[in-house]
Amino acid sequence: DIQMTQSPSSLSASVGDRVTITCRASQSISSYLNWYQQKPGKAPKLLIYAASSLQSGVPSRFSGSGSGTDFTLTISSLQPEDFATYYCQQSYSTEYSFGQGTKLEIK
Amino acid sequence: QVQLQESGPGLVKPSETLSLTCAVSGYSISSGYYWGWIRQPPGKGLEWIGSIYHSGSTYYNPSLKSRVTISVDTSKNQFSLKLSSVTAADTAVYYCARYSGDYPGGYAFDIWGQGTMVTVSS
Repeated sequence: DIQMTQSPSSLSASVGDRVTITCRASQSISSYLNWYQQKPGKAPKLLIYAASSLQSGVPSRFSGSGSGTDFTLTISSLQPEDFATYYCQQSYSTEYSFGQGTKLEIK
Repeated sequence: QVQLQESGPGLVKPSETLSLTCAVSGYSISSGYYWGWIRQPPGKGLEWIGSIYHSGSTYYNPSLKSRVTISVDTSKNQFSLKLSSVTAADTAVYYCARYSGDYPGGYAFDIWGQGTMVTVSS
């Protein structure tokens, strides 16, 4: 099975900061990588699919990049509503696995 | 628009079987897509449990495969999860979600239910 590892596990930042979260797969997954945002008490929300494509309605300050085993999610200028937990998920194999999550907190 | 709603007991006794249903509205399951279950223990991350295609083909997390059954009932436009021999480690919020291949370059869980908390305790 494919293991997904995110770093860091938590991150403190300020409104307006540029933030990058990394996700690494245990084997090549091409560009079959999705990113989700989850706020407390809510279901996850799809942000980015296929590594770099923005889901409809998601602000353009979110972007994704990478292929193979290494991927990044970047928020160009943090807004108050962006403080949440972010998860990557591979869709390369039929055993869909998530990263352990990165909690983005206000500094 | 497409909506998913989980239902089932909020409390299950150890060694018993957890049973949840996900009702789909705004779309006919028999028309397509994969449908899946994901869980999240309190304070922890997301764990994919398994998925089912509208035709009935299933895929399960290897770590849970021996205890999981996912089925679809197209007449009721819903799909279900059964997890047997539960322990306290199965206490979690359980989400159902649509796994869509509408996205160029891959599949994604694009529509989620609100989640339902299931506690395993005697």
